[in-house]
Amino acid sequence: QVQLVESGGGVVQPERSLRLSCAASGFTFSTSTIHWVRQAPGKGLEWVAVVSTDGKTTYYADSVKGRFSISRDNSRNTVSLQMNSLRPEDTAVYFCAKARGGDCSSVSCYRVLDYWGQGTLVTVSA
Amino acid sequence: AIQLTQSPPSLSASVGDRVTITCRASQGVSSGLAWYQQKPGKTPNLLISDASRLESGVPSRFSGSGSGTDFTLTISSLQPEDFSTYYCQQFNDYPLTFGGGTKVEIK
Repeated sequence: QVQLVESGGGVVQPERSLRLSCAASGFTFSTSTIHWVRQAPGKGLEWVAVVSTDGKTTYYADSVKGRFSISRDNSRNTVSLQMNSLRPEDTAVYFCAKARGGDCSSVSCYRVLDYWGQGTLVTVSA
Repeated sequence: AIQLTQSPPSLSASVGDRVTITCRASQGVSSGLAWYQQKPGKTPNLLISDASRLESGVPSRFSGSGSGTDFTLTISSLQPEDFSTYYCQQFNDYPLTFGGGTKVEIK
């Protein structure tokens, strides 16, 4: 079965860095686009970043552009999110999620999320 | 970035009611819209993609419609397990964006 397991969350001071990891199993990782989505406590979903299957193409939300960096290692079935210059407003549960794949005649193949990890909590506080 | 506005932010309904949630995009997204259900403490579950395509395993009481800027998620007969928060997501362009959510509560 599909599994996505996030790790690396914790409490960090503002302006410090943190690196999240997402370990994947149960599907063909190397052909799956992977996203990060976050959810602040009691709030809605916010898309954060995406990495293409070969790791060469990435996109970011405006709120994290220039501070966060997404990457992947297809040999280890992992995706990482390097978060620098963290701010209190980055406090959230961070989910990794896989894009649905399948019929790629539609961009939904790459941009609609069919499996999500359970998330890892990042708290940015002095 | 494309903004998505969901309405209402919350609603109260009874089992068996027909429920409609709307999602309006700040610019056209063609049919690039998905709907997710999230129960408290759980991860989102994909219900509908491409505005109206029901995902495998999703009950047929759920349906989606619309294109361009105006979209609707309809639950034809609300069941106890449907009390959740629903989110729309546009995937027509990056950055991807989500609506603010609609919480469906028991009346």
